[in-house]
Amino acid sequence: EPEVTQTPSHQVTQMGQEVILRCVPISNHLYFYWYRQILGQKVEFLVSFYNNEISEKSEIFDDQFSVERPDGSNFTLKIRSTKLEDSAMYFCASSGGGRETQYFGPGTRLLVL
Amino acid sequence: GENVEQHPSTLSVQEGDSAVIKCTYSDSASNYFPWYKQELGKGPQLIIDIRSNVGEKKDQRIAVTLNKTAKHFSLHITETQPEDSAVYFCAASGSSGTYKYIFGTGTRLKVLA
Repeated sequence: EPEVTQTPSHQVTQMGQEVILRCVPISNHLYFYWYRQILGQKVEFLVSFYNNEISEKSEIFDDQFSVERPDGSNFTLKIRSTKLEDSAMYFCASSGGGRETQYFGPGTRLLVL
Repeated sequence: GENVEQHPSTLSVQEGDSAVIKCTYSDSASNYFPWYKQELGKGPQLIIDIRSNVGEKKDQRIAVTLNKTAKHFSLHITETQPEDSAVYFCAASGSSGTYKYIFGTGTRLKVLA
């Protein structure tokens, strides 16, 4: 069964450093998403992406964040200058033509020191 | 703003008993309601979903009910097994024109053998 994959599974970085989280969505999906989950809290929407542009973003997704689909398979989330409060689990998701059902990857646990 | 409330936050049941998790959503325009199961260290896995034109949906031991008027939806797991132990999240699609999910706060289900 096709699935969303994410790398790395864990990332530790120093405050102020840039990080790139990578995702490979399900191959025939067209819509891509990033969510985050701070430890013990609910999953929060960050951004959705379609046709090489951002469809929607939350107030969390400020100028420090960017997304990119650099090739036909990868979807990346970049945090330019990490803050302590960026420590969270970051989930990538994708959905097909119907858009409704989103399939999630296993997540990247980011720890900012 | 958009919000999904989920209860209870923790639930312990004896193996073989039923478990019920309830969610309430705020946005009357929400029309799609997925449920996800999250095991330790993994991403959310879709277990069942329901659309707003349907009142109930069942898949083996799992069922979901929706009351659009009251803006309530519930997950029912019958004949629980130890492998059902996980965190369960409800979600609601956002307002018309958006496909982001608004997640509930999660329910930690423990099935006691």
